[in-house]
Amino acid sequence: QVQLQESGPGLVKPSETLSLTCTVSGGSISNYYWSWIRQPPGKGLEWIGYIYYSGSTNYNPSLKSRVTISLDTSKNQFSLNLSSVTAADTAVYYCARSGSYALPADYWGQGTLVTVSS
Amino acid sequence: QSALTQPASVSGSPGQSITISCTGTSSDVGSYNLVSWYQHHPGKVPKLMIYEVSKRPSGVSNRFSGSKSGNTASLTISGLQAEDEADYYCCSYAGSPVFGTGTKVTVL
Repeated sequence: QVQLQESGPGLVKPSETLSLTCTVSGGSISNYYWSWIRQPPGKGLEWIGYIYYSGSTNYNPSLKSRVTISLDTSKNQFSLNLSSVTAADTAVYYCARSGSYALPADYWGQGTLVTVSS
Repeated sequence: QSALTQPASVSGSPGQSITISCTGTSSDVGSYNLVSWYQHHPGKVPKLMIYEVSKRPSGVSNRFSGSKSGNTASLTISGLQAEDEADYYCCSYAGSPVFGTGTKVTVL
C-alpha cells in the first residue's frame, strides 16, 4: 500500500522560505506525477505544482515565481520550497500522487499545517 | 487561471439525489475531458471520487457519477447517505490543474 508522509517545520517566519518533504513508501516514484496541494484555513484546495518522475515540473501560474519542487529518487522523496512567504501562505499542505498530468490524485499524505508568523 | 465555480452548498434528504455543478470556461472544462472530483471530510484526507469526467476509481460507490456538458461538469450523488456529508471539489486540467471553489453537501 502506497503511503505518503509530509515533514517539515510547522512555523515559518514571514519573508522566509517554507520547505517541506514528502516521503513515499510502499511504491516507486517512477511513472507518476508528485504534487503539492494546499488548503488555507476555511478555504478551498489549491494546486501548487507537481514534478514528474523524470524531473519535469509544472507550477501554478500564480505561485510560479516562488515555487520549486524537486525530487530525490534515491530516497523516494520529493520536496517543496516556497519562498518569500506571507500570512496568506498559512495552510495545510498535502503531498499527493497522480498517474496523469491532469491530477486525479489517488494517494495523499495526511497533510501538515504550516503557519506563517513572526 | 481562475478557480472553477461551484455552488457554496447543496443539501438533500437521505435517499434523494443531488447534483453539484462545476462551471469553467472553454479553456478548461470545455476543452478537456479531464475533470476529477474529490470528497473531503474536514480534518481528513481528500478522496478521489471521479476522474476523466465520469470514471470511478476502484472502491468508489456507484452512487457517485460524473458528467459534462459544454463548460460545466457535474457530480451526482444518488441515494444520499449521512456519510456523504462533506466538502466536494472539482478539478480540471487547463494547461495545469485548477480546483473548483468547493461545495458543502449537507444531508438533512
